[in-house]
Amino acid sequence: DTAVSQTPKYLVTQMGNDKSIKCEQNLGHDTMYWYKQDSKKFLKIMFSYNNKELIINETVPNRFSPKSPDKAHLNLHINSLELGDSAVYFCASRAGAQPLHFGNGTRLTVT
Amino acid sequence: AQSVAQPEDQVNVAEGNPLTVKCTYSVSGNPYLFWYVQYPNRGLQFLLKYITGDNLVKGSYGFEAEFNKSQTSFHLKKPSALVSDSALYFCAVRDPTGANNLFFGTGTRLTVIP
Repeated sequence: DTAVSQTPKYLVTQMGNDKSIKCEQNLGHDTMYWYKQDSKKFLKIMFSYNNKELIINETVPNRFSPKSPDKAHLNLHINSLELGDSAVYFCASRAGAQPLHFGNGTRLTVT
Repeated sequence: AQSVAQPEDQVNVAEGNPLTVKCTYSVSGNPYLFWYVQYPNRGLQFLLKYITGDNLVKGSYGFEAEFNKSQTSFHLKKPSALVSDSALYFCAVRDPTGANNLFFGTGTRLTVIP
């Protein structure tokens, strides 16, 4: 199936740990994103990335870092996790001016 | 800076009645406007978009939206609501003159009552 896939679907971890969320798209898209959806369902863009440019939302703490080993992958690394990082994280991709395609999300719970 | 507002957190409508979910936007250039729907425990799914052309845009599942430049609005509509339309709806705007990123409204939860 052509899609944006994220792993894991659920992630429960303790404060202070370092974790990663993986994202892969097989749609041939040139731009990938990470969004954070909080408990009130607000969606906030964290990063956008294509082959040429990484754009970081300035409000995102530097504990969060995207890693793109190739055009089809954009992983999210989070260091020193905090309680406030608990949220659902969505990966998305698009080609040109076309609509975003979203993954099904990773629910991160920090205890 | 671009932004989008959804003034209603919740919209309730009876099955079979027309529905409207409101959205207004603010962007420096000509807007690219989108509607997405989110079902429980799922990612957002694209419904429709306005880039240019006819102000009335038709999308998936019988939804349509009307672009109104003078009112800076892009309301989502459907003539006859279904119970299965119950979900969270997001309006989004992209300013093509900027970083070309998509910014979402705060979402409107639509409940269709049988």
